[in-house]
Amino acid sequence: DTGVSQDPRHKITKRGQNVTFRCDPISEHNRLYWYRQTLGQGPEFLTYFQNEAQLEKSRLLSDRFSAERPKGSFSTLEIQRTEQGDSAMYLCASSLAPLADQETQYFGPGTRLLVL
Amino acid sequence: SQQGEEDPQALSIQEGENATMNCSYKTSINNLQWYRQNSGRGLVHLILIRSNEREKHSGRLRVTLDTSKKSSSLLITASRAADTASYFCATSKGTNAGKSTFGDGTTLTVKP
Repeated sequence: DTGVSQDPRHKITKRGQNVTFRCDPISEHNRLYWYRQTLGQGPEFLTYFQNEAQLEKSRLLSDRFSAERPKGSFSTLEIQRTEQGDSAMYLCASSLAPLADQETQYFGPGTRLLVL
Repeated sequence: SQQGEEDPQALSIQEGENATMNCSYKTSINNLQWYRQNSGRGLVHLILIRSNEREKHSGRLRVTLDTSKKSSSLLITASRAADTASYFCATSKGTNAGKSTFGDGTTLTVKP
């Protein structure tokens, strides 16, 4: 089963450090999404790509956050100068949209970030 | 702010009983999806219902959509302890809109 995979699954860092997360989508999926989820809340949209192009970024995505999908396959999400408020679960999802019957987003297991 | 709101926030039932969760949203949508999340894990897609559909079934799951009331419900029949999880609704404004907007979920506990 080649579902969405994320690496690492857990990351503990000190405030001010940079961190990078990786997401590998389902192989034939052209869309890739990043969400952030804090305890007790639903996922919040951060950004998404269609192939290599970053089509939308949330206002939640400050200048310290950058996402890339250089070859239209895997994606990385980097957080620079981490803050304690960045502690959350970072979720990646992929889909085959914009085909009309392929809107379902399939999620990875997430990367849990703790900033000390 | 989140588009969807689930109700109730928490639900506790006995195994074998039915569980109903509701989702309300604010703006027009193209589709609405329900997801399940076990503690500390990723989301599992359960069912998608489009704005021109009123009801869908999948196994023990039944989803309804009332676009006039901007609301949806998820019914789990004959619940099992393994159904214990958080359930989220997510709305999308269209295949070209990209993102889904999630509510804050209903935490379901099914007691054996």
